[in-house]
Amino acid sequence: AQTVTQSQPEMSVQEAETVTLSCTYDTSENNYYLFWYKQPPSRQMILVIRQEAYKQQNATENRFSVNFQKAAKSFSLKISDSQLGDTAMYFCAFIQVQGGSEKLVFGKGTKLTVNP
Amino acid sequence: DAGVIQSPRHEVTEMGQEVTLRCKPISGHDYLFWYRQTMMRGLELLIYFNNNVPIDDSGMPEDRFSAKMPNASFSTLKIQPSEPRDSAVYFCASSLGDIQYFGAGTRLSVL
Repeated sequence: AQTVTQSQPEMSVQEAETVTLSCTYDTSENNYYLFWYKQPPSRQMILVIRQEAYKQQNATENRFSVNFQKAAKSFSLKISDSQLGDTAMYFCAFIQVQGGSEKLVFGKGTKLTVNP
Repeated sequence: DAGVIQSPRHEVTEMGQEVTLRCKPISGHDYLFWYRQTMMRGLELLIYFNNNVPIDDSGMPEDRFSAKMPNASFSTLKIQPSEPRDSAVYFCASSLGDIQYFGAGTRLSVL
């Protein structure tokens, strides 16, 4: 079974600084996708960034970037120039396309607080 | 598009009552998912549909839970009878491809 592990239950960072959230996953498959979702206090789940496993280039979305290490099964999220609005729960997620079905597996989440 | 729409936003009910949660997926999406989020268990996939057909309901906790998708634009998750341990946030998500888009969730409190 696929699993996703986020080893940091909580983190904090000062506004304008950089923070990295860790994620590791376990799979025996070669083709899959990885995601980071953000859940602010409003509880809406918002897609932050997506990585295709067959692409070596790390995905980037504005201030958000990932460090994807396929051999190590690691998928960390870097947030640059942190803003107060980045305060949220961050979930790492994995999806493996198998036989046409798509089941998303989530980690337990990291609570990030950005301090003024 | 308005995104995935869930109703109600909050639901408070008493133990033993029937609860129905509703979801309208994004138009054109062919997959629909129901999740439950609790502090103890995190996000759990309950059931998902492809083209209105249930594909995997192995996450449904017990027979008190049922889900339907009568057409491409509507799905329901029903709990009958409800119990206090069903208190959680229930999310609906839809997708066309690998990215799932979530609704705002329904916070259910069973007293």
